[in-house]
Amino acid sequence: DAGITQSPRHKVTETGTPVTLRCHQTENHRYMYWYRQDPGHGLRLIHYSYGVKDTDKGEVSDGYSVSRSKTEDFLLTLESATSSQTSVYFCAISDGSKKKTGELFFGEGSRLTVL
Amino acid sequence: QKEVEQDPGPLSVPEGAIVSLNCTYSNSAFQYFMWYRQYSRKGPELLMYTYSSGNKEDGRFTAQVDKSSKYISLFIRDSQPSDSATYLCAMSVGFGNEKLTFGTGTRLTIIP
Repeated sequence: DAGITQSPRHKVTETGTPVTLRCHQTENHRYMYWYRQDPGHGLRLIHYSYGVKDTDKGEVSDGYSVSRSKTEDFLLTLESATSSQTSVYFCAISDGSKKKTGELFFGEGSRLTVL
Repeated sequence: QKEVEQDPGPLSVPEGAIVSLNCTYSNSAFQYFMWYRQYSRKGPELLMYTYSSGNKEDGRFTAQVDKSSKYISLFIRDSQPSDSATYLCAMSVGFGNEKLTFGTGTRLTIIP
């Protein structure tokens, strides 16, 4: 199994509070991603990173920010959580190899509930 | 309209049956096609990967891509209870950039 750790795994918070989810990898992969998974929508890309301090927006980036100060860590921050951000968040990594395009390695997920 | 459409199911079949899972897409620029399997409360894992049109077989699994129809399929032969999971199709435009577009997933249950 790819060395990906997400924390916290479960969190309940209130509307308007800030929340930070952490993704830590031990694979030294270049690319890191944050997805959210919701019924009827599948996996949607929030933000991704292609290197330290290099990040870009995905499909559903509004209300989220990210930071990557080290290769191994990718943080997702909800500055002011809303109920619409209740979801399961997955971190994924990829080494960008051309040999097997599309192979993302996913973490176990972080289940966030915003009341 | 979503870029990738996938029947969410749920789909229940008896053990040993052949299972067919499908996705359609609208973006003709997609060239790389994948199937991910996701067990309950786990992250997805790559099951099959194909480039452009054609078939690819791996054990009991066969992936088919028909770019002219913008249609991809995953076939599971001799289905087993351990195949019970959600199957997600995924696609991307080019290699080196794994910004995948996922289908919503089909929940499959194999009944012993």
